[in-house]
Amino acid sequence: SQKIEQNSEALNIQEGKTATLTCNYTNYSPAYLQWYRQDPGRGPVFLLLIRENEKEKRKERLKVTFDTTLKQSLFHITASQPADSATYLCALKDSSYKLIFGSGTRLLVRP
Amino acid sequence: DTAVSQTPKYLVTQMGNDKSIKCEQNLGHDTMYWYKQDSKKFLKIMFSYNNKELIINETVPNRFSPKSPDKAHLNLHINSLELGDSAVYFCASSQDPGVQETQYFGPGTRLLVL
Repeated sequence: SQKIEQNSEALNIQEGKTATLTCNYTNYSPAYLQWYRQDPGRGPVFLLLIRENEKEKRKERLKVTFDTTLKQSLFHITASQPADSATYLCALKDSSYKLIFGSGTRLLVRP
Repeated sequence: DTAVSQTPKYLVTQMGNDKSIKCEQNLGHDTMYWYKQDSKKFLKIMFSYNNKELIINETVPNRFSPKSPDKAHLNLHINSLELGDSAVYFCASSQDPGVQETQYFGPGTRLLVL
């Protein structure tokens, strides 16, 4: 079955730098991949979706890439701000159409 | 204007009790879900309903029973609660389960079984 791996260690960066988070999956390439943000005590919030035929997707300071050869998606936040501190979850559909989530990577942006 | 709401937000109860969590969405979506997020933060699907019909039923103990009275509501009833049921339970909804749908999550219900 499909598995998603995200770095479980927190990513700690200085304000203004670019944060890069990694999502690796193990089996077949999904038709699309999603990124969500989760703040403490809250539910995940959808950020971006990238399809398998798209190399890159942007939304304001966010950029997502999708490399089906490497079975990897990268999530970038440019000009990071303390308000970007949260846990970021990668998600994709498995073969039975369930959305499966990675355990997330916690991002801490220091002022 | 809450899109997906859940009640209660916190639930502390004794082992062996029966409890229910309620979920409502006002987005007009056809599909609703229950997820469990454990202490390691893994978010795992439990159930999904599409237009009041059960379409996903994961390997969940049959002490957990979802009920969808209409497509805007999906409740979760848990019988004979166990310590291992302690977790955060999230309700979510989406427009179409088969397409590239975005899921909208509720705020979560924090269940603690003592």
